[in-house]
Amino acid sequence: DTAVSQTPKYLVTQMGNDKSIKCEQNLGHDTMYWYKQDSKKFLKIMFSYNNKELIINETVPNRFSPKSPDKAHLNLHINSLELGDSAVYFCASSQMAGITYEQYFGPGTRLTVT
Amino acid sequence: AQSVTQLDSHVSVSEGTPVLLRCNYSSSYSPSLFWYVQHPNKGLQLLLKYTSAATLVKGINGFEAEFKKSETSFHLTKPSAHMSDAAEYFCVVSDQAGGGNKLTFGTGTQLKVEL
Repeated sequence: DTAVSQTPKYLVTQMGNDKSIKCEQNLGHDTMYWYKQDSKKFLKIMFSYNNKELIINETVPNRFSPKSPDKAHLNLHINSLELGDSAVYFCASSQMAGITYEQYFGPGTRLTVT
Repeated sequence: AQSVTQLDSHVSVSEGTPVLLRCNYSSSYSPSLFWYVQHPNKGLQLLLKYTSAATLVKGINGFEAEFKKSETSFHLTKPSAHMSDAAEYFCVVSDQAGGGNKLTFGTGTQLKVEL
């Protein structure tokens, strides 16, 4: 069974569109994250949720809105897509916020904005 | 803020020879450090972690890393490289400020293994 899964794996869309990426974890973790990996493979955290509560919100355009319906799911909705949003987006989960547990990553969603 | 610096963007070794990937960290207190590996078009996999226990940390696939506070280093090593080790490696520091567990990634080292 996949521990952290993301859908879709690939997403190609045009500028100005709105799209969502879904993430699910079956590890029983209570903290989930979104990371963005740019074309130079640099990874940067965007958001983190603990038990459906937003606890990390980095400097990200407000066109990006995470939503956590329950602690096993964390979705990322992006409005008015721009060329610069093209990247690989990774979801991750860990056991508990505030304690350093390793994070488990999903396979990534490659978003291409044309 | 904590940070990590990976000193080499590319490392090339021959199969069967040792691997050394270098990482220095900057932290105002005792950090938690990780090495992650990313194979082409794949997600990230944890290789090993240091969380203030033993300074020599053993990970998966024969990798290990040594935490050296005096040198602020956390270099990754493997005695004998295998073709399957070719991948991107990230040194990572954990920041627990604000109640969250935020990972800060280095810029990555691409490891190439040649026959």
